[in-house]
Amino acid sequence: GAVVSQHPSRVICKSGTSVKIECRSLDFQATTMFWYRQFPKKSLMLMATSNEGSKATYEQGVEKDKFLINHASLTLSTLTVTSAHPEDSSFYICSATRDRYNYGYTFGSGTRLTVV
Amino acid sequence: AQSVTQLDSHVSVSEGTPVLLRCNYSSSYSPSLFWYVQHPNKGLQLLLKYTSAATLVKGINGFEAEFKKSETSFHLTKPSAHMSDAAEYFCVVSEGDDYKLSFGAGTTVTVRA
Repeated sequence: GAVVSQHPSRVICKSGTSVKIECRSLDFQATTMFWYRQFPKKSLMLMATSNEGSKATYEQGVEKDKFLINHASLTLSTLTVTSAHPEDSSFYICSATRDRYNYGYTFGSGTRLTVV
Repeated sequence: AQSVTQLDSHVSVSEGTPVLLRCNYSSSYSPSLFWYVQHPNKGLQLLLKYTSAATLVKGINGFEAEFKKSETSFHLTKPSAHMSDAAEYFCVVSEGDDYKLSFGAGTTVTVRA
């Protein structure tokens, strides 16, 4: 149990276009979902926390107009990178939790975004 | 505030020998502690978690970790390394009612044949 599906696993887009990444909890309802960014050979950096039906809470320094997060249901959160630029190229990972004490956090398999 | 320090950025072991990955944490409240493993270009997989129950936690693939409050440590061990254990390992902490996770910088494990 506790599977999180992230799609796409890899995407290449042109500079100036927008890209949407989906994160789905397949077998549980996720009260909270998180979006992380990971640079090569680095740790994960939390970008934002989203709760179903409410606005995402962004970490300091993360542009909310550039990284749009929607958590429309208890099983789906999306991250849209708007007007992407090469510096947005990175590995993006989502995670979801329903009850961290008993179930912890489940991570998606990540999305490699390359902006050319 | 919570934080995690992984004391080794890189650990190299021979196959069949023990693995020790060191992690120290700082937390104002009773923390929840996790170890995750990440293989190249993959997401994170939970190895084990501590949430104020038994201080010796057994995880998947033969890994275990011991929570030592007096030393503020949560070191990860495995008695016998396997080639498939080569990966990046993250020690992670969360505290109180805050759902946010704080990640250590990661430890890269290489396993020599």
